[in-house]
Amino acid sequence: DTEVTQTPKHLVMGMTNKKSLKCEQHMGHRAMYWYKQKAKKPPELMFVYSYEKLSINESVPSRFSPECPNSSLLNLHLHALQPEDSALYLCASSQADTGSDTQYFGPGTRLTVL
Amino acid sequence: AQSVTQLDSHVSVSEGTPVLLRCNYSSSYSPSLFWYVQHPNKGLQLLLKYTSAATLVKGINGFEAEFKKSETSFHLTKPSAHMSDAAEYFCVVSANAGKSTFGDGTTLTVKP
Repeated sequence: DTEVTQTPKHLVMGMTNKKSLKCEQHMGHRAMYWYKQKAKKPPELMFVYSYEKLSINESVPSRFSPECPNSSLLNLHLHALQPEDSALYLCASSQADTGSDTQYFGPGTRLTVL
Repeated sequence: AQSVTQLDSHVSVSEGTPVLLRCNYSSSYSPSLFWYVQHPNKGLQLLLKYTSAATLVKGINGFEAEFKKSETSFHLTKPSAHMSDAAEYFCVVSANAGKSTFGDGTTLTVKP
């Protein structure tokens, strides 16, 4: 099974809401990633978890809060977002985070902030 | 430091003709190089990757790429385009743990 699943597929939220994005993989991968992708742009790395510990935070605003409850799950908690945060949020996983490992991407969550 | 440049933002071909998507990279270390494809409103799917083994890499759906160190290039080719190949293509370089650098993408259009 080489699948990364993400829920929900679509999310609309107001600027005062709190919501969470969920990502799951059952490939035994020990690295998991959150990316943000705006229309017609490449994905931008937000966070990397390696062995369930946060290893990279690309200076992401604190209104985005990642969580890795176990090796298969990755959450992204959202609070007080801005309209410019509307984007496709992609989760990925890889065997490790050595750089040569293939990243497997989920289908993404399309987020709209009103 | 690492960077990647996709030389064409748009490529248009006719069905059944060859495809060439160009990618140049720079890296302070021996890089791993990847090509991913993204269909509209979908996640990214790996087409192929180079990790210091054979310089000619074969991928899925008839795609291949050749790593040329002297030219710092990793161009993606396919002998005969299919309508289903229309998508966004990203060249990715990775030499640092956890950090992959994506090119800006090339939109491939396939005309019937």
